[in-house]
Amino acid sequence: GAVVSQHPSWVICKSGTSVKIECRSLDFQATTMFWYRQFPKQSLMLMATSNEGSKATYEQGVEKDKFLINHASLTLSTLTVTSAHPEDSSFYICSASPGLNSGNTIYFGEGSWLTVV
Amino acid sequence: DAKTTQPTSMDCAEGRAANLPCNHSTISGNEYVYWYRQIHSQGPQYIIHGLKNNETNEMASLIITEDRKSSTLILPHATLRDTAVYYCIVRVGVSDKLIFGTGTRLQVFP
Repeated sequence: GAVVSQHPSWVICKSGTSVKIECRSLDFQATTMFWYRQFPKQSLMLMATSNEGSKATYEQGVEKDKFLINHASLTLSTLTVTSAHPEDSSFYICSASPGLNSGNTIYFGEGSWLTVV
Repeated sequence: DAKTTQPTSMDCAEGRAANLPCNHSTISGNEYVYWYRQIHSQGPQYIIHGLKNNETNEMASLIITEDRKSSTLILPHATLRDTAVYYCIVRVGVSDKLIFGTGTRLQVFP
């Protein structure tokens, strides 16, 4: 079946540095992908919609200059956490689906753990 | 967006059926109900989705009431590996955007 893959699975970075997380759709093309963040013992929170070939759409309260999203191809979206701080430490998850119709399956990646020290 | 209400937690004995309820009283006619589960430290796993009719696949069954205001996810023979947080989500239109609620933490015990 369709698979969405993320890389890296986990990453540790120093405060002030930037880190990039990749989200790939392995056997389908996705014009839109979604990025979520999840803190321990909490639910997933939608951060932004990644649009292929155009700017991402951010949810209210999410800083677009902090979380840079690039969707340069139909199979790859990247999330870059810029000038990371310890409070950015979280589980980041992406989702995508093979097509835009209201009954298709939406798949999630395995998630990426970010720890900022 | 249609919101969902789920019990915070449930227990189920191994081998028994797990019935997870979900209320979505404000759902509109074209909105699908999706179920996902999340095992600790992993991304959400797709289980099943439906619009009006009951649905069944290799993982579970989805029973949607006639008025579509509630649904039940059924795991016919729960195993210890089914212990997870289960999310019921109403999807709006053709957008792939899914808004997660707090879900139900299902604990399957021996």
